[in-house]
Amino acid sequence: DQQVKQNSPSLSVQEGRISILNCDYTNSMFDYFLWYKKYPAEGPTFLISISSIKDKNEDGRFTVFLNKSAKHLSLHIVPSQPGDSAVYFCAASPRYENTGNQFYFGTGTSLTVIP
Amino acid sequence: NAGVTQTPKFHILKTGQSMTLQCAQDMNHGYMSWYRQDPGMGLRLIYYSAAAGTTDKEVPNGYNVSRLNTEDFPLRLVSAAPSQTSVYLCASSYHLAERGNDNEQFFGPGTRLTVL
Repeated sequence: DQQVKQNSPSLSVQEGRISILNCDYTNSMFDYFLWYKKYPAEGPTFLISISSIKDKNEDGRFTVFLNKSAKHLSLHIVPSQPGDSAVYFCAASPRYENTGNQFYFGTGTSLTVIP
Repeated sequence: NAGVTQTPKFHILKTGQSMTLQCAQDMNHGYMSWYRQDPGMGLRLIYYSAAAGTTDKEVPNGYNVSRLNTEDFPLRLVSAAPSQTSVYLCASSYHLAERGNDNEQFFGPGTRLTVL
């Protein structure tokens, strides 16, 4: 049962425009959300996170928005650059102590930024 | 800091053979995990360990894990099957109780395993 879903397997965007990657989750116990970026033949690297007490978190060109009522989060990249071309994974965690630090990942969205 | 390292990078096994995927981290993280990545399936958790010397959930069939110390977290394929063909990713993080907020997992580069 996929508790974190990324319904768009791929996305293409022109350089300089905005990239919007979407993620939906089903478990209302999730209260910490992250985005990871993965290049081929490398492990995922952490990009940005958001706690459920916030609805927005910004880091440079990357902004994550959280809509708890809709169980939806999105990652905005502005402006998009060719180096942003990668697979992006959304992840969620129920941060109650007895599960340590377990994360649930989405299926990924492959972003291509066209020069 | 080397971060999270994994060996080997690639390996081919025949059905029924066994092998151990190595994972090590030098960040003194208590929490370590193994995931597999398959096309269209994202990252799926195989097993996690919250601390050295602990086993935290039932180990899935076909795998064996051990956590004898903080740094190493090997994953053993007991009798490999073609269904275990995948990219295996190891990750580590601070335990939630140690770090609280902003607690991301750090990943190794992965092992691409093919079982024929």
